[in-house]
Amino acid sequence: DVKVTQSSRYLVKRTGEKVFLECVQDMDHENMFWYRQDPGLGLRLIYFSYDVKMKEKGDIPEGYSVSREKKERFSLILESASTNQTSMYLCASSTGGIWEQYFGPGTRLTVT
Amino acid sequence: QKEVEQNSGPLSVPEGAIASLNCTYSDRGSQSFFWYRQYSGKSPELIMFIYSNGDKEDGRFTAQLNKASQYVSLLIRDSQPSDSATYLCAADIIQGAQKLVFGQGTRLTINP
Repeated sequence: DVKVTQSSRYLVKRTGEKVFLECVQDMDHENMFWYRQDPGLGLRLIYFSYDVKMKEKGDIPEGYSVSREKKERFSLILESASTNQTSMYLCASSTGGIWEQYFGPGTRLTVT
Repeated sequence: QKEVEQNSGPLSVPEGAIASLNCTYSDRGSQSFFWYRQYSGKSPELIMFIYSNGDKEDGRFTAQLNKASQYVSLLIRDSQPSDSATYLCAADIIQGAQKLVFGQGTRLTINP
């Protein structure tokens, strides 16, 4: 079974803090994705990566950056957290094309 | 216009009946379509995917695709209370790079 893990299930940070969300997959997948999910807005793509050290902006990259130094690990960075970044963050991975994405359990981030 | 649209519901169906979930998409170039199920507080899990026009059956689930009408549906036969969840429709879209775009999801409740 594909396993995608995320570093924290729940996280509380203060405005202005730098926040790191980590995602690790164990199936040697080429592609990794970061989404945020908000009520009424659905899943929105923040960043994705097709390969190590590669990254592509999604639909809402503002305020975020990413890092992919190893194939299995994809990090989402909030350089200076703001209250409007309070959300559920979901990491996903897939092999080959972008089909059949497998999701991690999610990190519920609260910025106060 | 949203790229992938779903009726947000809630959709209420009696146990044992057929639940019908619908999705439309705007990009005629989309080739791959996915249905994810998301239980409250959990991450999405893939339940069906379809690439070709027509029907695809997997147990109690049937996905239907009509590319001419840009319409995807998911039928759940013999609905069970455990089917109560939010169902997300996704389509692949090429905007520079290939990615998945998700609908907002339809909340389904199966009443015993």
